[in-house]
Amino acid sequence: EADIYQTPRYLVIGTGKKITLECSQTMGHDKMYWYQQDPGMELHLIHYSYGVNSTEKGDLSSESTVSRIRTEHFPLTLESARPSHTSQYLCASTEGNTEAFFGQGTRLTVV
Amino acid sequence: AQRVTQPEKLLSVFKGAPVELKCNYSYSGSPELFWYVQYSRQRLQLLLRHISRESIKGFTADLNKGETSFHLKKPFAQEEDSAMYYCAQNNNAGNMLTFGGGTRLMVKP
Repeated sequence: EADIYQTPRYLVIGTGKKITLECSQTMGHDKMYWYQQDPGMELHLIHYSYGVNSTEKGDLSSESTVSRIRTEHFPLTLESARPSHTSQYLCASTEGNTEAFFGQGTRLTVV
Repeated sequence: AQRVTQPEKLLSVFKGAPVELKCNYSYSGSPELFWYVQYSRQRLQLLLRHISRESIKGFTADLNKGETSFHLKKPFAQEEDSAMYYCAQNNNAGNMLTFGGGTRLMVKP
């Protein structure tokens, strides 16, 4: 079934650890996005990609990095997690100017 | 940079009352505008887009270029409309989808 998947759904990790949040979509969409959703529920664009080997930073500065080696896969990595990275991370994909499809999100807690 | 503003964090109305969720955008070109909704424990999903000019679940939104607004309206709110609502815009190239801060709509019985 065509969908967009994020793993893990929940992650609690210690300060200083390296983590990778996974995002995969089976819809063949070119454009993919990562958003950070604050506790107050605001959504901030942190990374986006036009297609394979293309990545750009979004409006909100983030210490995370992303890669797009395959169309369907857009992982986000934090080299050294800190408590300030505690948030919910949403992945989305679109084709052209059409509707964006969102994953279930990863709720990250850094202790 | 393009910006989307939703001035109300929380909007509380009684069932059957009219609802208007405000949204203002800043993109100077011809933006594509959307309303997304997030019900409790569900994914963020598209509610409607301005180019479609359609009514979804009784909601409509009109693009007002003079006021750079795209307010979401429903004449008679229902309890199941309670959710977080986000206004969003795409730039002309369609590669940067920016969201407003969101408005939580609570419809009381």
